[in-house]
Amino acid sequence: GENVEQHPSTLSVQEGDSAVIKCTYSDSASNYFPWYKQELGKGPQLIIDIRSNVGEKKDQRIAVTLNKTAKHFSLHITETQPEDSAVYFCAANRDGGFKTIFGAGTRLFVKA
Amino acid sequence: NAGVTQTPKFQVLKTGQSMTLQCAQDMNHEYMSWYRQDPGMGLRLIHYSVGAGITDQGEVPNGYNVSRSTTEDFPLRLLSAAPSQTSVYFCASSQDRQSSYNEQFFGPGTRLTVL
Repeated sequence: GENVEQHPSTLSVQEGDSAVIKCTYSDSASNYFPWYKQELGKGPQLIIDIRSNVGEKKDQRIAVTLNKTAKHFSLHITETQPEDSAVYFCAANRDGGFKTIFGAGTRLFVKA
Repeated sequence: NAGVTQTPKFQVLKTGQSMTLQCAQDMNHEYMSWYRQDPGMGLRLIHYSVGAGITDQGEVPNGYNVSRSTTEDFPLRLLSAAPSQTSVYFCASSQDRQSSYNEQFFGPGTRLTVL
């Protein structure tokens, strides 16, 4: 079945540094790739997403890149801040949202 | 708007007991789903619904039942709880099943322990 692999499982960076989280997917028909942030004790919240017809998308300090040929996509956070500390999930699905497959998550620590 | 609400926040069950996890949304979303979150395994889809009266299975449906009698509510029933069902359960909703690329809105979760 469809699978999404996410690396690393844990990432620790110094405040102000960049953080990169990488994901690969198995279903070549996947065309929507959201990223969710989960803070302690809360449900995941969408922070950025990308569709298969673009290669990169930015929103302030956050960017996502997509390589359809290699079937991988990445989340880039620049100028990290302590409030960026959370668990981040990548996900993939076809046609907009049903049966979304999530990666295992990356726990990001930003040290002040 | 309250968004997606879930009750209870915490629950402890004994093996073999049954219970219902409640989920409600006030955004008039058509699509609702249930996930379980286990350490190192991300979020796995249990059941989902594309509208009132319509439900379908996700990746890990065994041991769980759902129904969708109204747009707002999507309860998850554990028929006979097992220790393997110890997990954090999240309900989510999204706007319109006819639209592509729907953001899912998640509830705060229910932490379930089965002894």
